[in-house]
Amino acid sequence: QSALTQPPSASGSPGQSVTISCTGTSSDVGGYNYVSWYQHHPGKAPKLMIYEVSKRPSGVPDRFSGSKSGNTASLTVSGLQAEDEADYYCTSYAGTNTHVVFGGGTKLTVL
Amino acid sequence: QVQLQQWGAGLLKPSETLSLTCAVYGGSFSGYYWSWIRQPPGKGLEWIGEINHSGSTNYNPSLKSRVTISVDRFKNQFSLKLSSVTAADTAVYYCASNGIAVAAWYAFDIWGEGTMVTVSS
Repeated sequence: QSALTQPPSASGSPGQSVTISCTGTSSDVGGYNYVSWYQHHPGKAPKLMIYEVSKRPSGVPDRFSGSKSGNTASLTVSGLQAEDEADYYCTSYAGTNTHVVFGGGTKLTVL
Repeated sequence: QVQLQQWGAGLLKPSETLSLTCAVYGGSFSGYYWSWIRQPPGKGLEWIGEINHSGSTNYNPSLKSRVTISVDRFKNQFSLKLSSVTAADTAVYYCASNGIAVAAWYAFDIWGEGTMVTVSS
């Protein structure tokens, strides 16, 4: 069982927006602004999409955005495109004992 | 642009020790932490642990008793050893950098290509 809770699946039609949630506790998501999101296509290495809750690395489209409220972080994908279909994982710093926790992943399907 | 190249044995028997190495090319090795992350078949990602250039380590508490991460700062390499493996350790293992490209903490921004490690008798 993963430390962070994500919905197992999400879906949307091309052009629509989808939001994926990532729920933790005050010891991880709620306690630090070190939440990041990864896109993972099967057979490839994961790709950093969002870091420090809402920052985008160079080259990541601004269709991807992140936010946090309390113990829940969210990834929103706007203007869905076929290539956005992938697994998405959240992760958070969780203090000096646990350090890093991952979510269980969400499979995003573009209908 | 930093690149990570990883290698190691892909097939192990139960009770053996998993050994993987990751080399860092094209960027500074010091000043950052370097992580190992794995994904069992059909399951999610799991952080294994990290090390910096001076050898300071942090481990996932659930694996800490079996994991050793070491560094060779002269070769810009870091390595993972996982002892007493079982079938549950079958996974794709990735090395990754912590924030070297985005200058941030706990952002795994550069990844190796992954190594499939299978534990089977």
